[in-house]
Amino acid sequence: GENVEQHPSTLSVQEGDSAVIKCTYSDSASNYFPWYKQELGKGPQLIIDIRSNVGEKKDQRIAVTLNKTAKHFSLHITETQPEDSAVYFCAASKPYYGGSQGNLIFGKGTKLSVKP
Amino acid sequence: DTAVSQTPKYLVTQMGNDKSIKCEQNLGHDTMYWYKQDSKKFLKIMFSYNNKELIINETVPNRFSPKSPDKAHLNLHINSLELGDSAVYFCASSQGEPMNTEAFFGQGTRLTVV
Repeated sequence: GENVEQHPSTLSVQEGDSAVIKCTYSDSASNYFPWYKQELGKGPQLIIDIRSNVGEKKDQRIAVTLNKTAKHFSLHITETQPEDSAVYFCAASKPYYGGSQGNLIFGKGTKLSVKP
Repeated sequence: DTAVSQTPKYLVTQMGNDKSIKCEQNLGHDTMYWYKQDSKKFLKIMFSYNNKELIINETVPNRFSPKSPDKAHLNLHINSLELGDSAVYFCASSQGEPMNTEAFFGQGTRLTVV
């Protein structure tokens, strides 16, 4: 089955710096790669996602890159702010229709701390 | 209005008891999920229902039984609670291809078994 590895487990940056979180996946059939942000005491919330037919996607200060050949994808946050402090999860899933019965597999999370 | 709401938010109970967690979504989604988040923050799916039909049933003790009375509700019943069941349980929903689109999570239910 799919296995998603996420690094680093903790990341501390100064406000204004960039933060990069990296994930690798094992199943080449995976085609959907979302990133979720979880603030303390809340449920995860999608911040950006990318599909396998796209190499990069950007939304203001957040970008995600995908390298299908190497089976890795990364989250980039520029100009970090204290409110970016949270736990970030990457995930990977295969198509559900067509018999593969896709399952959304999460990485183990990265705790990002942005120091003012 | 909360999109995905779970009740209760906190649940403290003794070993051996039976308890239920309720979930409702008002987004009109056709797929709902239960996830378990352990003390190390690891998120793992337990069950998924699509149009009231069970489509994902991961390796979970049969003490856990989901019930979906309609597309907007997915409840989780747990029998004979054990210490290891202590965790945060999240309900989520999505629209379109299951597992392959954005999932909207509830705020979680922190279950503590003593």
